[in-house]
Amino acid sequence: QVQLVQSGAEVKKPGSSVKVSCKTSGGTFSSYSISWVRQAPGQGLEWMGKILPIFGTVDYAQKFQGRVAITADESTSTAYMELSSLRSEDTAVYYCARGVFSDYWGQGTLVTVSS
Amino acid sequence: EIVLTQSPGTLSLSPGETATLSCWASQSVSSDHLAWFQQKPGQAPRLLIYGASNRATGIPDRFSGSGSGTDFTLTISRLEPEDFAVYYCHQYGNSPPWTFGQGTKVEIK
Repeated sequence: QVQLVQSGAEVKKPGSSVKVSCKTSGGTFSSYSISWVRQAPGQGLEWMGKILPIFGTVDYAQKFQGRVAITADESTSTAYMELSSLRSEDTAVYYCARGVFSDYWGQGTLVTVSS
Repeated sequence: EIVLTQSPGTLSLSPGETATLSCWASQSVSSDHLAWFQQKPGQAPRLLIYGASNRATGIPDRFSGSGSGTDFTLTISRLEPEDFAVYYCHQYGNSPPWTFGQGTKVEIK
């Protein structure tokens, strides 16, 4: 069955960067978009961007333009989300989700930004 | 960017009752690319409805979605104890960015 397994929790300093991975299994990796969604503590879901691995095309929410990079490695069926210039407001659980419908989700990765 | 507004913010109901959740879009959602998710504390969201009215695999038929254009509804009939959660609408139209509504919490009265 389809599974998305994300990398572990991270603690980062303000101004640094974080790179979260999302390894997929089951299904054809390249054919499905991978979206990244974050959720700050006690808050709602926020769409950050997506990649379609077969074409390498990416789309980002304007809020994160210039600060986020979403990539994919087809050889390992893994997608990545790198967020730079971290600030305390970036403390959140980051999720990856597969496909246009986001029918499969990773377990989430807690990123804590603290000095 | 399409802004999704959900109403109400919180719905207080008893098991067995019917929940009606609304989601309004600031502009028409292309091809009715509107989904609904359920999220429980500490868990990833779960897809309930896609294409405005299609139930995802394994979703009970007490969950139904309707609407088109800018006006969408999620109806949960005969609320079960496990249905008390937060629900989000999400548009995945042809022109990113995609967006989520702010959520509706369905709580036990």
